[in-house]
Amino acid sequence: DTGVSQNPRHKITKRGQNVTFRCDPISEHNRLYWYRQTLGQGPEFLTYFQNEAQLEKSRLLSDRFSAERPKGSFSTLEIQRTEQGDSAMYLCASSLGDPFGYTFGSGTRLTVV
Amino acid sequence: DQQVKQNSPSLSVQEGRISILNCDYTNSMFDYFLWYKKYPAEGPTFLISISSIKDKNEDGRFTVFLNKSAKHLSLHIVPSQPGDSAVYFCAASEGSGGYQKVTFGTGTKLQVIP
Repeated sequence: DTGVSQNPRHKITKRGQNVTFRCDPISEHNRLYWYRQTLGQGPEFLTYFQNEAQLEKSRLLSDRFSAERPKGSFSTLEIQRTEQGDSAMYLCASSLGDPFGYTFGSGTRLTVV
Repeated sequence: DQQVKQNSPSLSVQEGRISILNCDYTNSMFDYFLWYKKYPAEGPTFLISISSIKDKNEDGRFTVFLNKSAKHLSLHIVPSQPGDSAVYFCAASEGSGGYQKVTFGTGTKLQVIP
């Protein structure tokens, strides 16, 4: 499978718990992005990695959010002390070069109850 | 501040007819424009793009038109097919810190009626 893989597909968690999502990009892609999509909205940029370096973070990414991409391969997005407002679809995308089209994964849908 | 706007949340078109999806933007620094298609329970998939130095790009049944003076672009699908039923996102990118930062619109849900 040469696509972008995200796990888990769905996550239901209680408010206040920590959650971690994983993204495996296309292997030759050096750029990796996290986006968040809420109902009725388009994807909103969260953060960007080039190889293992996190080069940009959106102001949407509060201090409860942290992302890593060790060794420039897979990436994880952790949300600490989840809030109901964190409920959304979290999308990962990767690309080899800009600007022609990201390849998105199917997303992780987070529900905070 | 919504820099990329899709003012029509939904559109219904008869099979075989033309579908026209519209998008407006406000940031004159955008240098590439892209359209993505999204089916339920899947991530968006890249459809077609256009550079800001062009006014038209065509790929099979899909054509994107760019009017820079009006800060407007549109996606034409001819002929429309039931499999085209999906949410279409307009997106625009600009160079930022060594990469192209992409901003998405809110999407237009297209329904092609057989």
